[in-house]
Amino acid sequence: GQQLNQSPQSMFIQEGEDVSMNCTSSSIFNTWLWYKQDPGEGPVLLIALYKAGELTSNGRLTAQFGITRKDSFLNISASIPSDVGIYFCAGPGTGTASKLTFGTGTRLQVTL
Amino acid sequence: NAGVTQTPKFQVLKTGQSMTLQCAQDMNHEYMSWYRQDPGMGLRLIHYSVGAGITDQGEVPNGYNVSRSTTEDFPLRLLSAAPSQTSVYFCASSYSGKGNSPLHFGNGTRLTVT
Repeated sequence: GQQLNQSPQSMFIQEGEDVSMNCTSSSIFNTWLWYKQDPGEGPVLLIALYKAGELTSNGRLTAQFGITRKDSFLNISASIPSDVGIYFCAGPGTGTASKLTFGTGTRLQVTL
Repeated sequence: NAGVTQTPKFQVLKTGQSMTLQCAQDMNHEYMSWYRQDPGMGLRLIHYSVGAGITDQGEVPNGYNVSRSTTEDFPLRLLSAAPSQTSVYFCASSYSGKGNSPLHFGNGTRLTVT
């Protein structure tokens, strides 16, 4: 089946720093989604990307749909303590959109 | 508007016991799904449903059953619990299940099988 690899697995950064993480797929995706999971809660959608090369922002978050359609990137600028959590990429691949595949996650810790 | 509600929040089972994890949504979503989350493995799809009366298998369906008799409810049944089923289980729903229809997740059920 499809595999999504995220890196890094975890990050420890200081408040105010910028963060970059990425996600690569073993197959082509036609949609890329980025979710955030706060401790003790379910994931929440941050950004959705639908077109190769697309760059989309949501506040301090910016995500890009790689032109190869096999990767995506998420950047967080000027991190704050509430950015702590696990960030997941996800996508349906080229098959049915109902079978959403999630990456392994990037755990972000922010220190003051 | 409650969104996606999962019960119970925590459960401990002995090996061989059966139980049902409940999931209900009040958003009139057609698509519902169950995921399990294990350390270092992200979320893996167990079963999903594109509408009442329709269910299908995901990536890791063995040991689990589902049914969708109403649009609102999508229970997950563990037939004979095993320690390998110790995990955090998330129910999610969306309007259509398509890529442009975001998944709404419940807050999870943490299951321990001893």
